[in-house]
Amino acid sequence: GQQLNQSPQSMFIQEGEDVSMNCTSSSIFNTWLWYKQDPGEGPVLLIALYKAGELTSNGRLTAQFGITRKDSFLNISASIPSDVGIYFCAGSRDDKIIFGKGTRLHILP
Amino acid sequence: DAGITQSPRHKVTETGTPVTLRCHQTENHRYMYWYRQDPGHGLRLIHYSYGVKDTDKGEVSDGYSVSRSKTEDFLLTLESATSSQTSVYFCAISERVPDNSPLHFGNGTRLTVT
Repeated sequence: GQQLNQSPQSMFIQEGEDVSMNCTSSSIFNTWLWYKQDPGEGPVLLIALYKAGELTSNGRLTAQFGITRKDSFLNISASIPSDVGIYFCAGSRDDKIIFGKGTRLHILP
Repeated sequence: DAGITQSPRHKVTETGTPVTLRCHQTENHRYMYWYRQDPGHGLRLIHYSYGVKDTDKGEVSDGYSVSRSKTEDFLLTLESATSSQTSVYFCAISERVPDNSPLHFGNGTRLTVT
């Protein structure tokens, strides 16, 4: 079946650093989504991408829908403590949505 | 936040007992989903609904059933709970099909089967 490879699995960074994570697949998708999950809560939508090549920002977050439709990346600029959490990508095709296994972001004091 | 309420938020039950989890939405969205989240497996789809009385199976549907008698409510039932069903369960909703409309999640139900 379809799978999403999300990397890295975890990241340890200093406050103020920029962060980059990505998702790749052997299958093409029509939609890419990025979510953040805080402990004890459900995933919250950060950015939705609907068109190949699309680059979308939400504050300090920027995500792109890869031109091949097989990948997407999420960048976070100038990280702050509240950025800590798990980030999930998701791809949708033919109305079936697949989730990556997440990137856990840690910020060192 | 999308208007999604899951109940209960926490439940401990014994093996072999029936359990029903409820998802209630105030957004009038057509599509509703039940996922389970487990370490190392991420989010896996159990069942979904594309309208009142219209449901279909996801990738991990064995041991689960669902019902949707009203637009706003989607129930997940474990007929006879097993320890392998210990998990965090998330309900999600979307206005249109996933290709055109993102999923929004509730805050989850943590279920422990002893």
